[in-house]
Amino acid sequence: SAVISQKPSRDICQRGTSLTIQCQVDSQVTMMFWYRQQPGQSLTLIATANQGSEATYESGFVIDKFPISRPNLTFSTLTVSNMSPEDSSIYLCSGRTGVGAETQYFGPGTRLLVL
Amino acid sequence: GDSVTQMEGPVTLSEEAFLTINCTYTATGYPSLFWYVQYPGEGLQLLLKATKADDKGSNKGFEATYRKETTSFHLEKGSVQVSDSAVYFCALSLQGGSEKLVFGKGTKLTVNP
Repeated sequence: SAVISQKPSRDICQRGTSLTIQCQVDSQVTMMFWYRQQPGQSLTLIATANQGSEATYESGFVIDKFPISRPNLTFSTLTVSNMSPEDSSIYLCSGRTGVGAETQYFGPGTRLLVL
Repeated sequence: GDSVTQMEGPVTLSEEAFLTINCTYTATGYPSLFWYVQYPGEGLQLLLKATKADDKGSNKGFEATYRKETTSFHLEKGSVQVSDSAVYFCALSLQGGSEKLVFGKGTKLTVNP
């Protein structure tokens, strides 16, 4: 198993600013993911964070808006850039310890409100 | 594309009531199906899973059966407790490849004593 923590747990930001969310896993994971959960919506995959290389983004998400780093096997960051009120969401970090979705664990999420 | 449709919430029940949360899916292949639970202030946790048709996943008194003919994976529990109050997410993952998870919108359950 894996325990995933995120910082900050919540934040209120002004439009036009950027926020970096940190994700720390207590053990090495093979894959790390970032999701967004907008109010009343399902979890949507933003990107897969790749160690030592550029993240793989899903359709509708771009690196300029959501730059991601993954310097090692236990840590990743997601930056939400040039924020607007539409970016108000819960952002979740996730990691897999093995092969298959059943090995995937989730962090508690970062609740972001953009004014 | 692949998708999951869940029963709209919120759902409010009294303790010891029977619970059903409906989930149906659309997938191009043969998905694995999951139920996740999110307790207040915590991350999503895998509750149960089923990987092929007619499989029944079970955990903590919850059950769900993979029904290929109706493309459904309904979550049931015979007698809920206050501690079951949480948000429940149905999800699918296509086997092979990256096996990305596709989630439903979640159903919030509140159980009153």
